[in-house]
Amino acid sequence: KAGVTQTPRYLIKTRGQQVTLSCSPISGHRSVSWYQQTPGQGLQFLFEYFSETQRNKGNFPGRFSGRQFSNSRSEMNVSTLELGDSALYLCASSPREVQDSPLHFGNGTRLTVT
Amino acid sequence: GESVGLHLPTLSVQEGDNSIINCAYSNSASDYFIWYKQESGKGPQFIIDIRSNMDKRQGQRVTVLLNKTVKHLSLQIAATQPGDSAVYFCAENTGYKLSFGAGTTVTVRA
Repeated sequence: KAGVTQTPRYLIKTRGQQVTLSCSPISGHRSVSWYQQTPGQGLQFLFEYFSETQRNKGNFPGRFSGRQFSNSRSEMNVSTLELGDSALYLCASSPREVQDSPLHFGNGTRLTVT
Repeated sequence: GESVGLHLPTLSVQEGDNSIINCAYSNSASDYFIWYKQESGKGPQFIIDIRSNMDKRQGQRVTVLLNKTVKHLSLQIAATQPGDSAVYFCAENTGYKLSFGAGTTVTVRA
């Protein structure tokens, strides 16, 4: 079974631009979560989707948004990019509720904002 | 608020020896814990999990121990191999998300 796939692997953007990252979960997984990983803050929760509904959101500004499609694929969008948004963005999926099963992560999208 | 932390940021281990990675958590209500391994350029990879109704769980070459009294979690890796070199994270399930510790970088010496 294929793992979580994230595209693109690398992105370089300029301050003020916006970016869309894509995630395809493991087949059959309905829950998709997004995390931001930086050297200073570690892994921080962004949001979680289940059956196309955002159920939970982390402590990030409204510039960070996402959505989930009927096939469970998910996208996240960051608008008006800031230098501090440079990070590894990780998508993770699970077959059931987050509290019932481990998250399986993709290899991430490395975003660099210049 | 809740936090999950690891006692040591780095650990150097001789190949063939056993490794022990420690983690402390603060939320006594947490009931599900997971260990992840992250290699350079990759996302976190699931290693093993444990629920609060257990105090020990074993996998292939790995054992997780949970001490709820002192809110402590540990990962033991038997016969450490060069491929075990990575950053190890413990994660605490807080209902709808995972709260990760800062990670321990394990380096295996030949």
